[in-house]
This record gives sequence, structure tokens and C-alpha cells, in this order.
Amino acid sequence: QKEVEQDPGPLSVPEGAIVSLNCTYSNSAFQYFMWYRQYSRKGPELLMYTYSSGNKEDGRFTAQVDKSSKYISLFIRDSQPSDSATYLCAMSAGGGTSYGKLTFGQGTILTVHP
Amino acid sequence: NAGVTQTPKFRILKIGQSMTLQCTQDMNHNYMYWYRQDPGMGLKLIYYSVGAGITDKGEVPNGYNVSRSTTEDFPLRLELAAPSQTSVYFCASSPLSAVSPLHFGNGTRLTVT
Repeated sequence: QKEVEQDPGPLSVPEGAIVSLNCTYSNSAFQYFMWYRQYSRKGPELLMYTYSSGNKEDGRFTAQVDKSSKYISLFIRDSQPSDSATYLCAMSAGGGTSYGKLTFGQGTILTVHP
Repeated sequence: NAGVTQTPKFRILKIGQSMTLQCTQDMNHNYMYWYRQDPGMGLKLIYYSVGAGITDKGEVPNGYNVSRSTTEDFPLRLELAAPSQTSVYFCASSPLSAVSPLHFGNGTRLTVT
């Protein structure tokens, strides 16, 4: 079993749709949860960052963490063609010797068509 | 402010050849990392460094070496390239540890034939 599971998609939605991206994980020590967005031929860039359980909203993006279920989600409202990218979840136990040892999901390829 | 710069962007190697992937950052970050990304596999940590002169292995270090003589530079060395090293390599940096976001370069696409 992989430590982090993410549905690779691909996911294709019409412009304006609500998109839900999800990851499950098995390591209960994970405390820091991130979503990275990666455009084609580019490096990942941080989109959302959450510590422990709860919700975080930033514009059209909402990140949710449910540690009891070991499940994290990213919601995109009013999706735009410019949101077309690969979305990677990442998580870390943090502190100590973790030193940026993020564990990534496989990435979900999202296409938003006009 | 260039951020994290990787060179070259593309490279084709023959089996058994060696090469160095260059990475430099201008943000004065202490932490630097090398990841590889294979299709459908996410990113895997190869090596990381918490400061000049200090490096350590990540999840998939075999076949690679690193050095960190300055804060800015973190080159990745491939010795005796193998087809299994065909991948996209990303260098990243962060000011602190895992609690701070990583800044990635745009990658080096390597093919070993």
C-alpha cells in the first residue's frame, strides 16, 4: 500500500464547474498538508498549506483535512481553463529530521474546457 | 529574483555515461532538495541538504551523488547512467524545514538510452 494515494484522473470538467480533488494517506504522523499545482513543463508551485485538521480557504480554493479519516481534499470553485494543470497533494510529519521530506501523491491531471 | 534555476533543461545520455545536473538558488535558503518525477508516480526525494557541507540521502539515492559547498548551489551527479534514471529531475529549496513551502525549479528532463 502506498503511503499517499491520489486518483490520477485524468479529470475533465466544463468551465465554471466545482472540482474536488482528494488524497488518502496511511501515516498518522503526518501533520502538514499541502497542495501543489504543476503546469506542463514547469515545476510544482505551492497552492495551499494546512496544518493539522480543518479547512482553509483562499479565493476559489478550499483545502480540507480530516485526520481522523486520513483524508484531504482540495475544492476549486468556478473552475477556469487556467486551472488546467496537474495537482499534487503532499504531506509531512514535520519537525525533527523531516527536513522537507514531503511524501507526494501521484498527481491528478485536471483539464477545464471552455 | 530568479528563484531556483536548473540546467540543462534537457539531456540525452547513453548508458554508462556520467553527468551533473546543476541547481542554484538566489533566495539564501538553507534547505535544498533533489526530487525525481516519473509518470504516475509523484515525486520521490533523492537527496537533501540542510546547509553548506551537510547532505543526506532521501528515499531513492542509489546511482546519485550530491555535494553542497555553498548555500546557493546543490549539484546532482549521475555516475554510470542507466535507463532506470530516465526521469524529470526537480531541485527545490526552502528557508526552513518541512514546515515551510518548497520552491521548485522547472526541472531537467533526462533520457538514458
